[in-house]
Amino acid sequence: GAGVSQSPSNKVTEKGKDVELRCDPISGHTALYWYRQSLGQGLEFLIYFQGNSAPDKSGLPSDRFSAERTGGSVSTLTIQRTQQEDSAVYLCASSSGQGGYTFGSGTRLTVV
Amino acid sequence: GENVEQHPSTLSVQEGDSAVIKCTYSDSASNYFPWYKQELGKRPQLIIDIRSNVGEKKDQRIAVTLNKTAKHFSLHITETQPEDSAVYFCAASKRSGNTPLVFGKGTRLSVIA
Repeated sequence: GAGVSQSPSNKVTEKGKDVELRCDPISGHTALYWYRQSLGQGLEFLIYFQGNSAPDKSGLPSDRFSAERTGGSVSTLTIQRTQQEDSAVYLCASSSGQGGYTFGSGTRLTVV
Repeated sequence: GENVEQHPSTLSVQEGDSAVIKCTYSDSASNYFPWYKQELGKRPQLIIDIRSNVGEKKDQRIAVTLNKTAKHFSLHITETQPEDSAVYFCAASKRSGNTPLVFGKGTRLSVIA
């Protein structure tokens, strides 16, 4: 596609429920990244996929968070047993590996 | 791992004046330094980047300088306009961006007309 697509754009969930966030990167981009941005804060790295290599999961805050990337394209970030502190905007980005990221519009997650 | 510090956290300037935002990084192996602009409610967008083989890069009213010895880099915006108002993030990574970017905490720039 022309840009990075994320869905849903907004998600409200009850504490304790699981959520899945989807990212569709730019076609041909081999690298895909997930970041989290809490209100008024910077961008916190979560996980990184590069081609067929094992993902870099070093930024995942707990074992409730996981992500996968199928067929080297679409990625899903799953948060199990959501907590209120998980509320944030989850941003996906892709790149061709030459440096600059293109970000999606994000998913605003609210845990109530 | 890499740590990026960004200052100031907020900056107000009069329209037409210049704005400077500064960042320092900790990992001497970092060699790629982009800057992103995020308008309210929108996605971060790349505005300029610099690699470690150059000391300065300019694109119209914006420029970035890099001092590898001191491990700091700066964003300069000249002749500021109200539409420059946004949050600006610096970032650093190794291998020319083929590793995750580490971002600063951002600078909220307000340009007062």
